[in-house]
Amino acid sequence: DGGITQSPKYLFRKEGQNVTLSCEQNLNHDAMYWYRQDPGQGLRLIYYSQIVNDFQKGDIAEGYSVSREKKESFPLTVTSAQKNPTAFYLCARRTTSTDTQYFGPGTRLTVL
Amino acid sequence: EDQVTQSPEALRLQEGESSSLNCSYTVSGLRGLFWYRQDPGKGPEFLFTLYSAGEEKEKERLKATLTKKESFLHITAPKPEDSATYLCAVQGNSNYQLIWGAGTKLIIKP
Repeated sequence: DGGITQSPKYLFRKEGQNVTLSCEQNLNHDAMYWYRQDPGQGLRLIYYSQIVNDFQKGDIAEGYSVSREKKESFPLTVTSAQKNPTAFYLCARRTTSTDTQYFGPGTRLTVL
Repeated sequence: EDQVTQSPEALRLQEGESSSLNCSYTVSGLRGLFWYRQDPGKGPEFLFTLYSAGEEKEKERLKATLTKKESFLHITAPKPEDSATYLCAVQGNSNYQLIWGAGTKLIIKP
């Protein structure tokens, strides 16, 4: 699992609801990332965090929010302001020695 | 503008038929080029990191090479289990964000 766990694997949301996707890492790495993947497109960065209590917006942050209260946890909230939230969401951690990102298994979010 | 283009979008091969996937990139100061394999419904699995032109890395039937403008992922005598989408990403010197290509879907027929 690349040292990253994501839950749930599948998530269904009604329009107008906020949902939170979980991402946990057990390898004490500082940097964590959230990506969105749509069919036929490259991964797009939503948010990333280099250290606890600090995070930066990526290319498509609108309609999303994150928190980083603990080093091992980086949850993503998909808010009702996100107009097209149906997608596959991936969380990653980065090793500082090689800059390599390792991914979790992903969460598939579907809006009903 | 930093960008990554992968070709072809899809590639169908017979088992044992060797070929190459291409990743062309434009980036301000290459810090690293990364190859990943992704199976349907799963997260990307790390394969290789290349740091400088001329560098090569191998893993089983896969070999990655790097020039100043592109990288190739060579697959030798592929097997059906090599079927997957292969993703390429680059990191420039300016930050720790990766720029991703759209991927090449590889299908190996038995």
